[in-house]
Amino acid sequence: AQSVTQPDIHITVSEGASLELRCNYSYGATPYLFWYVQSPGQGLQLLLKYFSGDTLVQGIKGFEAEFKRSQSSFNLRKPSVHWSDAAEYFCAVAPSGGYNKLIFGAGTRLAVHP
Amino acid sequence: GAVVSQHPSRVICKSGTSVKIECRSLDFQATTMFWYRQFPKQSLMLMATSNEGSKATYEQGVEKDKFLINHASLTLSTLTVTSAHPEDSSFYICSARPPGHHTGELFFGEGSRLTVL
Repeated sequence: AQSVTQPDIHITVSEGASLELRCNYSYGATPYLFWYVQSPGQGLQLLLKYFSGDTLVQGIKGFEAEFKRSQSSFNLRKPSVHWSDAAEYFCAVAPSGGYNKLIFGAGTRLAVHP
Repeated sequence: GAVVSQHPSRVICKSGTSVKIECRSLDFQATTMFWYRQFPKQSLMLMATSNEGSKATYEQGVEKDKFLINHASLTLSTLTVTSAHPEDSSFYICSARPPGHHTGELFFGEGSRLTVL
């Protein structure tokens, strides 16, 4: 069955520090991969996406993610975290081939210390 | 960018009553919308796919008689929680994919927090 694993439930970093949020997926073929961010009490916003091509993708707000097929991973990174980055981050996959059903990971809650 | 809007953002109701949540695509037409449910501090679970002009497709385990979905126009889908009970309290989020965007590239509404007393 398709699944998405985010091993870290909660991460705390200091402002200005680098960040890496982990995501692993289980799927027969290479799916479409996404990272979404959710601020408290809000809907989700798309940070970045991977469909094909360059395995390092750039997103909004200075985020990037790298797709590693051999590790079935799609980790999210940011070189310098800002206090406003504190939020819940969800990794998601969609089967390639035209279907819009997203499968979400459990999420990683990011706290940023000043 | 594409905008999806939900209303109301918060609703409190008494047990046994019904509540309707609206999801609108403000600047694009959406033949398909998706309704998700999010429990506190948990991930999003797809409840159903709303199809304009036809019946919704429900995920396994979701009661279609409890969660009525209507997609009467290309810009509006509604979720009605019928005979609500405290266990229906949750955060409900809708989403849609604007034309020209890839599979899975969804735009989400702000969410609607339902509290059933």
